[in-house]
Amino acid sequence: NAGVTQTPKFQVLKTGQSMTLQCAQDMNHEYMSWYRQDPGMGLRLIHYSVGAGITDQGEVPNGYNVSRSTTEDFPLRLLSAAPSQTSVYFCASSYSKISGSYNEQFFGPGTRLTVL
Amino acid sequence: GNSVTQMEGPVTLSEEAFLTINCTYTATGYPSLFWYVQYPGEGLQLLLKATKADDKGSNKGFEATYRKETTSFHLEKGSVQVSDSAVYFCALRALGNEKLTFGTGTRLTIIP
Repeated sequence: NAGVTQTPKFQVLKTGQSMTLQCAQDMNHEYMSWYRQDPGMGLRLIHYSVGAGITDQGEVPNGYNVSRSTTEDFPLRLLSAAPSQTSVYFCASSYSKISGSYNEQFFGPGTRLTVL
Repeated sequence: GNSVTQMEGPVTLSEEAFLTINCTYTATGYPSLFWYVQYPGEGLQLLLKATKADDKGSNKGFEATYRKETTSFHLEKGSVQVSDSAVYFCALRALGNEKLTFGTGTRLTIIP
């Protein structure tokens, strides 16, 4: 298993440009999520999905769109990049139907995005 | 709402020193509690977890005990190594909810 993969690893954008951060998992996990990591703020949830065709907003959704057409993929789209979106982005997944309340979330290696 | 407060860093220790990183939480009911570790340039990895009061999670010499009475989940290690240098995140997940709430992270540096 490759686990959770993210592409690209690094990206530099100009203000106003659009791009898609890719996330894929091969563990048949139902739950997937996107976080951004900023200094002194920990990880903040952007969007999440509990299964194919179902998405919802997290703590900081503005400026980002997501879709979940398959179980494996959960891309994050920036429609018009802004300098405030400079951050490290992590995708995570977990299998929500395993018994109990302690399912481990598996994280991808991250995408470091700079918006100039 | 749910929240996690953890010890501000950075923390610098000498090799073989005793480590404590404090974590307290606010949540309704009985959340599950986690410690994640992030090594330089990598994503987060689960270090240990506890799902109910008085549970002790342990892994790689690290331990944390779920204390309901003090709403705490402090991370401890008796003798740290240079390879433990990383950022450590405390997190909680409310019962029946997949979403994780993270603390701000504590950067730990171990010097030889």
